[in-house]
Amino acid sequence: DVKVTQSSRYLVKRTGEKVFLECVQDMDHENMFWYRQDPGLGLRLIYFSYDVKMKEKGDIPEGYSVSREKKERFSLILESASTNQTSMYLCASSLGGALRYEQYFGPGTRLTVT
Amino acid sequence: ELKVEQNPLFLSMQEGKNYTIYCNYSTTSDRLYWYRQDPGKSLESLFVLLSNGAVKQEGRLMASLDTKARLSTLHITAAVHDLSATYFCAESSGADGLTFGKGTHLIIQP
Repeated sequence: DVKVTQSSRYLVKRTGEKVFLECVQDMDHENMFWYRQDPGLGLRLIYFSYDVKMKEKGDIPEGYSVSREKKERFSLILESASTNQTSMYLCASSLGGALRYEQYFGPGTRLTVT
Repeated sequence: ELKVEQNPLFLSMQEGKNYTIYCNYSTTSDRLYWYRQDPGKSLESLFVLLSNGAVKQEGRLMASLDTKARLSTLHITAAVHDLSATYFCAESSGADGLTFGKGTHLIIQP
């Protein structure tokens, strides 16, 4: 079974703090994704990566950056957290070769910025 | 712009009833996914539909795909409370992975 884990289930940070969200997958997947989920807005893609050290912007990259130094790990960074970044963050991974394959999701991190 | 529209977005139904959730998409994708999300939890894959006319069933849920109509349906038969969740469809023709609908919040009452 594919396993995608995220470093924290719940996180509370203060405005202006630098925040790191970590995601690790154990199935040797090439593609990894970060989404945020907000009520009424569904899932919105922040960034994705199709290879180590490669990254692509999704629909809402502003205020975020990512890092992928190893194949199994994809980090989402909030350089200076703001209250409008309070959300549920979901990481996902999928097989390489194309971006159209089924995505497997981690348990999510509920981030509150105060 | 890629669009995936689910209908309805909110559904309250009684146990034992049948209902269908609709997923319309705007591209020529031949691959469609259905996911389930329980409150406070992540997304769990339900069905992968890979071609026109594909039909898959798991328990009281059945999903189908009509690529010519750009429509997928998720049919619930004789609903039970345990099926209460939010259901998402997603299609795969985009350049950056899957495009998700906004989800259908389903409540099944005794």
